[in-house]
Amino acid sequence: GAVVSQHPSWVICKSGTSVKIECRSLDFQATTMFWYRQFPKQSLMLMATSNEGSKATYEQGVEKDKFLINHASLTLSTLTVTSAHPEDSSFYICSARGDLSGNTIYFGEGSWLTVV
Amino acid sequence: LAKTTQPISMDSYEGQEVNITCSHNNIATNDYITWYQQFPSQGPRFIIQGYKTKVTNEVASLFIPADRKSSTLSLPRVSLSDTAVYYCLVGGINYGQNFVFGPGTRLSVLP
Repeated sequence: GAVVSQHPSWVICKSGTSVKIECRSLDFQATTMFWYRQFPKQSLMLMATSNEGSKATYEQGVEKDKFLINHASLTLSTLTVTSAHPEDSSFYICSARGDLSGNTIYFGEGSWLTVV
Repeated sequence: LAKTTQPISMDSYEGQEVNITCSHNNIATNDYITWYQQFPSQGPRFIIQGYKTKVTNEVASLFIPADRKSSTLSLPRVSLSDTAVYYCLVGGINYGQNFVFGPGTRLSVLP
């Protein structure tokens, strides 16, 4: 299947700073990327959907000024958590769909963010 | 958006066949049904996808009745390593369509 990679796998940052998580489709062109957030023992919560070259569409309740999403190329999307606070600590997962994946979305490995 | 309903948890023993059913009563004509497996602290892993009838691959089978309002993931002869959360996801290729996860089914395989 198609490969989606996230970086970093885990990151610790100080409260008030910003942190960026990258999501790359390694062997296909991702026309659409999705960002999810997951708390322990809970399901994935969709944060936003981004189509290459367009502004991301955020789900209700997700602050677009806090969670900046960029999808500038067909293989890379980034999520920047701005002015991070401890409550932003979570597992963030990206997924992608594109030219070779058809109706299937493939997920990255996830990134753990801890804000101290 | 097609909402999905699954059992919250299931227990099984090694070597048994496990069937997990997902209900999606308002599935749209162009929606596909995809099942994922997730281990703790990992992203979901694709298992199988189907549109109607039956699909089989090397790890699972997917049964979809004619009305497509439900689907059943069948895992033959589970092992301890199949202990995970299983999600069914319903969606299509429409531009801008997002993919919303239900609560998933936590499968525990016991020795």
